[in-house]
Amino acid sequence: DTGVSQDPRHKITKRGQNVTFRCDPISEHNRLYWYRQTLGQGPEFLTYFQNEAQLEKSRLLSDRFSAERPKGSFSTLEIQRTEQGDSAMYLCASSLDRAPGELFFGEGSRLTVL
Amino acid sequence: GEDVEQSLFLSVREGDSSVINCTYTDSSSTYLYWYKQEPGAGLQLLTYIFSNMDMKQDQRLTVLLNKKDKHLSLRIADTQTGDSAIYFCAERTGGQNFVFGPGTRLSVLP
Repeated sequence: DTGVSQDPRHKITKRGQNVTFRCDPISEHNRLYWYRQTLGQGPEFLTYFQNEAQLEKSRLLSDRFSAERPKGSFSTLEIQRTEQGDSAMYLCASSLDRAPGELFFGEGSRLTVL
Repeated sequence: GEDVEQSLFLSVREGDSSVINCTYTDSSSTYLYWYKQEPGAGLQLLTYIFSNMDMKQDQRLTVLLNKKDKHLSLRIADTQTGDSAIYFCAERTGGQNFVFGPGTRLSVLP
């Protein structure tokens, strides 16, 4: 079963360092989403791709965050100059572009910024 | 703006029914979803309902939608200890964004 996979599962870094997360969606899914989840909260939308095009970005996505999906398959989320407030679980999800279009989530990449 | 609210905690006894409630704000939502998150695991879709439906039943799960009041509920019949998890309500807005509630932590007592 090839569900959504994320790598690494856990990243510990020092403040000011750059980190990159990778997401491999379900192969036939052309939509890919990034969410952030902090303790006790629901997932918060960061950005979304349709194939390789980044179609929507949240106001939460500061200029230190960049996401790519170069060939419309896997995606990367990079955070530059990490801050302690970036500590969170970063979730990737994919979906088909037809109704009901439900999201299939990976297990997430947990970022801890010291 | 878009907002989804849920009560944060619910505790029930094994074998009882659980009812988890959710309110949302975007009247243009086309679909509403319930996701389950177990410790250390990703979110898993439980069920969804199209906005022109009032009710959907799927085995032990019953979803009720009151579109006028923007209220969604999830009923779990014969709740088991394996149902202990966090349950998230989510709406799909006019765009492609999904807005999630804060989650309701369900504890099932033996």
